[in-house]
Amino acid sequence: LAKTTQPISMDSYEGQEVNITCSHNNIATNDYITWYQQFPSQGPRFIIQGYKTKVTNEVASLFIPADRKSSTLSLPRVSLSDTAVYYCLVGLNPGAGSYQLTFGKGTKLSVIP
Amino acid sequence: KAGVTQTPRYLIKTRGQQVTLSCSPISGHRSVSWYQQTPGQGLQFLFEYFSETQRNKGNFPGRFSGRQFSNSRSEMNVSTLELGDSALYLCASSLDLLGSVSYNEQFFGPGTRLTVL
Repeated sequence: LAKTTQPISMDSYEGQEVNITCSHNNIATNDYITWYQQFPSQGPRFIIQGYKTKVTNEVASLFIPADRKSSTLSLPRVSLSDTAVYYCLVGLNPGAGSYQLTFGKGTKLSVIP
Repeated sequence: KAGVTQTPRYLIKTRGQQVTLSCSPISGHRSVSWYQQTPGQGLQFLFEYFSETQRNKGNFPGRFSGRQFSNSRSEMNVSTLELGDSALYLCASSLDLLGSVSYNEQFFGPGTRLTVL
């Protein structure tokens, strides 16, 4: 069964680095891995996207191993405003010739002062 | 630049009715995708439209349908509503630089909260 798996929740103190991993078997060969952030009562917001190895932007880094069966979102020095739910989004090939765009169930990050 | 807008923001319907939700993408964006979000199932992909054509579809019954107009605005329709259709319906648009929703940065609207009684 093609699916993605993320931890349900994580706690972190302000100023720490947070790493959230998403496991995704059967990822489609040419698809990117994308991470979104969602605050209550808002739509998700794009954080970062990558295909392999490492990608970094002004807010996060994304680490993708060679086999692309997982990815890790890294948030450096989190603050209270980073408290949100984080989702990975991947395209999966659950069976021959089929394609399934799939969000993870989301990881609720709580940043503690 | 205005963001993605969705109307209405809240809607209450009864079982068996049908509903149409509207989405206006960011100006210049040609791809529009729809998602259903519930506490139990999370975010689920419904379908994606590009240039008035459905390019990708998730695993939802045929009661869920959509369309896109020449100005890229999109509507989704749910017929014969069931209690389980109560959810937040999100629309997202993208520039579609790379040819697939999974390759592009998507911009989400605030959603339409549908309650089925």
